Amino acid sequence: EAQVTQNPRYLITVTGKKLTVTCSQNMNHEYMSWYRQDPGLGLRQIYYSMNVEVTDKGDVPEGYKVSRKEKRNFPLILESPSPNQTSLYFCASSHNYGYTFGSGTRLTVV
Amino acid sequence: QQQVKQSPQSLIVQKGGISIINCAYENTAFDYFPWYQQFPGKGPALLIAIRPDVSEKKEGRFTISFNKSAKQFSLHIMDSQPGDSATYFCAASKGNFNKFYFGSGTKLNVKP
Repeated sequence: EAQVTQNPRYLITVTGKKLTVTCSQNMNHEYMSWYRQDPGLGLRQIYYSMNVEVTDKGDVPEGYKVSRKEKRNFPLILESPSPNQTSLYFCASSHNYGYTFGSGTRLTVV
Repeated sequence: QQQVKQSPQSLIVQKGGISIINCAYENTAFDYFPWYQQFPGKGPALLIAIRPDVSEKKEGRFTISFNKSAKQFSLHIMDSQPGDSATYFCAASKGNFNKFYFGSGTKLNVKP
């Protein structure tokens, strides 16, 4: 089954404790992206990658890092999480004409 | 500044009625306009999309109407069903399909 898999689904962490949210796709898509979803703000792009070793900032990149060492994986790294990064995060991959999204990671930073 | 503005924020429709969600954009370079449907606990899923060379696209009960001169597009759900209850996002992209700008979302509740 074609899919984008994110882990974990839920995560509660404390301010400053580094964390990684993993994302993997099995569709051989070149493009991958991370979004955060907040009430009233819709989906905002954090980072995207056009291919292996090619990444670029989206609209809200501050406080986040990404890497793309393999085509299928695109982890999101929060080096020092803060409460304003509490949000619902989605990974997505695309091959023309639209995204396939993962099921989301709900992150709470206390 | 939000590139795509979506309204209403929430919508209640009776079963069998028509649901209408509107979006507006400013950037005339946008050339692809998808709509996504999101159920609770799930990621958004592509529902229907349109390019600006047509004024309307229909897929089953879902229709996109596109007004290029007004820079507006809307989603119409005919014969709305309780199973259509979800959050709907409009989006726009320009040139490449890696960068999408999303509206703020509309939570649709279809009453039985």
